[in-house]
Parts: sequence; C-alpha cells; structure tokens
Amino acid sequence: EIILTQSPGTLSVSPGDRVSLSCRASQSVYTNIAWYQQKPGQAPRLLIYGASTRATVIPARFSGSGSGTEFTLTINSLQSEDFALYYCQQYESGWTFGQGTKLEI
Amino acid sequence: QITLKESGPSLVKPTQTLTLTCSVSGFSLVTDGVAVGWIRQPPGKALEWLALISWNGNEEYSPSLRTKLTLTRDISKNQVVLTMTNLDPADTATYYCARSLSTVRYKWNRPTYYFYMDVWGRGTAVTVSS
Repeated sequence: EIILTQSPGTLSVSPGDRVSLSCRASQSVYTNIAWYQQKPGQAPRLLIYGASTRATVIPARFSGSGSGTEFTLTINSLQSEDFALYYCQQYESGWTFGQGTKLEI
Repeated sequence: QITLKESGPSLVKPTQTLTLTCSVSGFSLVTDGVAVGWIRQPPGKALEWLALISWNGNEEYSPSLRTKLTLTRDISKNQVVLTMTNLDPADTATYYCARSLSTVRYKWNRPTYYFYMDVWGRGTAVTVSS
C-alpha cells in the first residue's frame, strides 16, 4: 500500500498569506495525485487532479505541483473561506489518502 | 447537474450487515471512463477509500476490507450498492460515494485507467453500536 504523508498537520496562517502544503508518497505515483478541501460537516471537494490540473470552478489561487513522490498544494492570497482541511490522495496504485493538513487562523 | 446521494440505516448493531445505496443523477454509470467510488470517514479522522466500480463493471476493493465489502449496481435505477458484512464499532463513520473520472495511460498497448473522485455526495452517517 502506498502511504501518503502530509505536512504540516496544522498550519496557522492569516488571510492574504501564501501557503504551501506538502504531500509525500512512499513510492512513485507519477502525477496521479489529487487534492481535496473539506470544511466541517461537508463532503470533500476536488481542487486539483493530475498533480497540477485545477478542477472545474476552482479559483486560480489554488495550484498544484510535483511528480514522483513529492507534491505541493499552494494557495495564494488566502481567503477566509480557505480555512479548512486539505487532503491529498494517490490513485496510481489503489487509492489512499494522506492524514490531512488543517489550515487555521 | 451531477449529484450523488447516499442512503441507508443510521444505526446498525455489531456483526450485522450494512447496505448503503448511492443514487446518481446527471451522468450514466456505463459511460466510458467513469466509475463510482465509496469512501468513509470516522468521526474526527481522515478519509479512507473503500471500493470502486467502473463503467465496465470492474470492481476494486480496499485490500484491508476486501473480505467485508461487495459492490453491485442497478444501471436502470442509476444506483450503486455497497454491502459491508460483520460490522464492528470501528466501522462507525460517515460514508460517501463519489463519481470518479479517469485519466488513461497505456501499458503494453493496453489502456490502464486511473480514477480520481470529482463529485461527492453529502455522505450518510452510520453508527455501529449495540
């Protein structure tokens, strides 16, 4: 099973900041990485797939990068609605999720 | 508009069998490259992928839960059903179904599909308790 390790677990930030969230895979997943945002009481929402392709209607301030085992989700100019949990998921071999990174004020 | 809706019991006793239904609209279960996946999330914990059924009927299961899970589908009703046997309190979670789209990579001239979850249902909470 491919293990995904996200860091940090929690990130304290402020509106307007630029943040980078990390996701490391235990073996290469090529670019088969997706990023999801989850707010309390809601289902996850797809942000990025294929490591760097934004999903439909996702704002341009969200961007993804990486390949192989190292991936990054970057959020430019944080908005208040961006404070949430973020998960990476690999779909190269089966499907596994990271443990999540929480963005808090 | 693409929607998915999970339904099933909210409370199940240990050792019983859980049957959850995912009713979809706005897309077909047999469209090439499309699948429906199931994911769960225990209270306060991370997401866990459970199972997926592709447009061509191929089924994939989490290796750790393979013996407990069964997927079926009713194309005429636009429904995918997940059955989980021998429930344990550790199976208490919110269960989500999600439409899955794919990218394709060719290996030995044969297509291999890689599915990511693009539209999720709202989830249904299941508690396993006596």
